[in-house]
Amino acid sequence: QSALTQPPSVSGAPGQRVTISCTGSSSNIGAGHGVHWYQHLPGTAPKVVMYDNTNRPSGVPDRFSGSKSGTSASLAITGLQAEDEADYYCQSYDSNLFVYVFGTGTKVTVL
Amino acid sequence: QVQLQESGPGLVKPSGTVSLTCAVSGGSISSSNWWNWVRQSPGEGLEWIGQIYHTGGINYNSSPALKSRVTVSIDNSKNQLSLRLTSVTAADTAVYYCARQRTGSTSFDFWGQGTLVTVSS
Repeated sequence: QSALTQPPSVSGAPGQRVTISCTGSSSNIGAGHGVHWYQHLPGTAPKVVMYDNTNRPSGVPDRFSGSKSGTSASLAITGLQAEDEADYYCQSYDSNLFVYVFGTGTKVTVL
Repeated sequence: QVQLQESGPGLVKPSGTVSLTCAVSGGSISSSNWWNWVRQSPGEGLEWIGQIYHTGGINYNSSPALKSRVTVSIDNSKNQLSLRLTSVTAADTAVYYCARQRTGSTSFDFWGQGTLVTVSS
């Protein structure tokens, strides 16, 4: 039930900038619901790195930034570091389905 | 710092029932937060299952995969929430997470590490 679409993978060299897109629809992102981003390593608890489109939780480096436009959102990581290698998921709320929806997930690889 | 810890049986037979518990520490389950269950099947993405508020409010994912099989409950005295999933099949094999929803937001700010449930005979 992935209502949000992400690219399967993105990669970059250390120090580079990568962006992850998240495409939804008029019933979730386009309806004005907030977009949130989670960093996930297998076997660990997912960690929120961005919430309500552009808000960075305490402790998350300012290398992470979020944006939203229309029915899409993006997470950018600048100055890519080895520790950023993980799976990233976007998430929002769908007011047609009445469910919290997640993206398909993107694996970030640091070359 | 709020911490969540899931626990469960690990292995369940097809057509059986899975009962999971999420113990909350470092904060009260009676706070102004919704408490959620999310799962991730092997090789798949994250799927929201349902949520509960300490006063008894409940919302479920009514997708065909989960419809009418899920019960979420809360025990304020034990500071924990529970998930019950009936009539399980191999498709319910997944890592199950509990997560706290941030007040005033649709985001989940604290998660447990998850517990693997395998459905197999």
